[in-house]
Amino acid sequence: GDSVTQMEGPVTLSEEAFLTINCTYTATGYPSLFWYVQYPGEGLQLLLKATKADDKGSNKGFEATYRKETTSFHLEKGSVQVSDSAVYFCALSDIYGGSQGNLIFGKGTKLSVKP
Amino acid sequence: DTEVTQTPKHLVMGMTNKKSLKCEQHMGHRAMYWYKQKAKKPPELMFVYSYEKLSINESVPSRFSPECPNSSLLNLHLHALQPEDSALYLCASSQGRGIANEQFFGPGTRLTVL
Repeated sequence: GDSVTQMEGPVTLSEEAFLTINCTYTATGYPSLFWYVQYPGEGLQLLLKATKADDKGSNKGFEATYRKETTSFHLEKGSVQVSDSAVYFCALSDIYGGSQGNLIFGKGTKLSVKP
Repeated sequence: DTEVTQTPKHLVMGMTNKKSLKCEQHMGHRAMYWYKQKAKKPPELMFVYSYEKLSINESVPSRFSPECPNSSLLNLHLHALQPEDSALYLCASSQGRGIANEQFFGPGTRLTVL
């Protein structure tokens, strides 16, 4: 079945450092890919998405490119802020592979940014 | 209005209590979801409603009973829960069940079962 693997962390960075959170996927069909963020004590918010190969999703300085050849959707940000401290979930949605259009989540990566 | 609201924010209940969680959205979305999230874990799908009909039940125990009274509302009725059911319960909605449709999540209800 479909699955998502992401680096589990925790990841600790200083303010203004470069961020990469790796995410790779296994899917039967042609999935859509998402990054969700969960701030402490809150629900999940969609950060960005990409629906086909080579699409780049971007929002709030974060970017991720849908790479079909490497089955990856790595999250990057050039300069993190303390306010970016949160848990980041990579997810896919596929009509095949047992997921039936539902979200399949990675295990989440906790990011802590120090001033 | 691009918000999913959930009430209550926190709930403490005994194992013999009956309570309900409520979720509401006014985005015209036709799919609504219940998830359970334990600490330091991703959300686990419990139920999916599509056009007010239960579409998927991910083998959830019968002590959890969902209800979708109309396209804007989703309830989760709780009865005879166990302490291991303590978790954050998240509601989400999406325009449809298509794979490109992102899900919008509510803030969750933090449930503690004593």
